[in-house]
Amino acid sequence: DGGITQSPKYLFRKEGQNVTLSCEQNLNHDAMYWYRQDPGQGLRLIYYSQIVNDFQKGDIAEGYSVSREKKESFPLTVTSAQKNPTAFYLCASSGQVTNYGYTFGSGTRLTVV
Amino acid sequence: AQSVAQPEDQVNVAEGNPLTVKCTYSVSGNPYLFWYVQYPNRGLQFLLKYITGDNLVKGSYGFEAEFNKSQTSFHLKKPSALVSDSALYFCAVSPRTDSWGKLQFGAGTQVVVTP
Repeated sequence: DGGITQSPKYLFRKEGQNVTLSCEQNLNHDAMYWYRQDPGQGLRLIYYSQIVNDFQKGDIAEGYSVSREKKESFPLTVTSAQKNPTAFYLCASSGQVTNYGYTFGSGTRLTVV
Repeated sequence: AQSVAQPEDQVNVAEGNPLTVKCTYSVSGNPYLFWYVQYPNRGLQFLLKYITGDNLVKGSYGFEAEFNKSQTSFHLKKPSALVSDSALYFCAVSPRTDSWGKLQFGAGTQVVVTP
């Protein structure tokens, strides 16, 4: 089955730690996106990549970093500089937008302990 | 600049009654329009889209939406709501001039269907 996989589903981070969230897709999509969602809130764009080895900051990139070394993979690192990282993180990918727009992963819930 | 507005944070409806979730947009030209649904602790799922053609589009789970160019709206509707329709709904828009098809999402509307 083609799809987009995020792991882990739940992640706990200690203060001062960096953590990396995984996002892998086998849909052959060129573009990939990371969003942050706080409880009962909408989506805020963190980073996006439209092609391998290139990515752009979204609206709330501070305290986050990404890489796009392979078309299939777009990992997100939440650094210690992100002061309030507890949130639900969603990864998405898109090919031809007229198909389904974006395809979303099932999300990673990050909690600072 | 493009924008999407979902004017209601929450919509409450009794099971069996019609459900409407509103969406208006501000995009130059004719956009591509989408609706997604999100259940708790899950990713967004595609419901339906308007690309071209008939202004009334039908989607998954009995939902439909009507594209109204003059009112720049794309309201989501369901004739008879189910308790299982309780979820967070997002409208999204992409201008046709954006070859990459980057979507702008609304803030979301929480739908609560009571038995």
